[in-house]
Amino acid sequence: IAGITQAPTSQILAAGRRMTLRCTQDMRHNAMYWYRQDLGLGLRLIHYSNTAGTTGKGEVPDGYSVSRANTDDFPLTLASAVPSQTSVYFCASSDSGGETQYFGPGTRLLVL
Amino acid sequence: SQQGEEDPQALSIQEGENATMNCSYKTSINNLQWYRQNSGRGLVHLILIRSNEREKHSGRLRVTLDTSKKSSSLLITASRAADTASYFCATSSNDYKLSFGAGTTVTVRA
Repeated sequence: IAGITQAPTSQILAAGRRMTLRCTQDMRHNAMYWYRQDLGLGLRLIHYSNTAGTTGKGEVPDGYSVSRANTDDFPLTLASAVPSQTSVYFCASSDSGGETQYFGPGTRLLVL
Repeated sequence: SQQGEEDPQALSIQEGENATMNCSYKTSINNLQWYRQNSGRGLVHLILIRSNEREKHSGRLRVTLDTSKKSSSLLITASRAADTASYFCATSSNDYKLSFGAGTTVTVRA
């Protein structure tokens, strides 16, 4: 693989269910990010990680958690999904914070 | 909260024409970046301009930055149908995270 992959591509989820969105990069980037994109609002940062073993909260972290056990993987977990979490989720990575980010293809999530 | 705001929200031009979109931001920045997003796809980085730079070129793209006015512009010259996409500015400040605007949707008519 080259770049960033995300899985699943899309998902329909019942409210209250737990869901983990997967993100893997093969560029050995230190920093990784999760965004959600909603119509008319652009991208909003959910959580980020500047390096393996560390994570931080972004603009809209409530209802989401992340972990960064190694350099390549940065899963995003919705502990108990709610309809307002219906969105398109993008994972991104960069060599260091604030520099060029490389985006995955996105996961389209519908919570009913 | 989002720092960057693009203007206009939408732009429709004829193939071959130039497209100009603007981005305004609120606080001081380290750099400003422009990204393109084709329908249903992830964002692709176009160009990065640092706070001490005033103009940058990449192929048919020209970006300017005016830190005194806290604004940037992206010019796409000789537009093509393949330039149809949404364009986002993103600013990087001292917290080293990117803050994205809501984007400009560009439609290039054949």
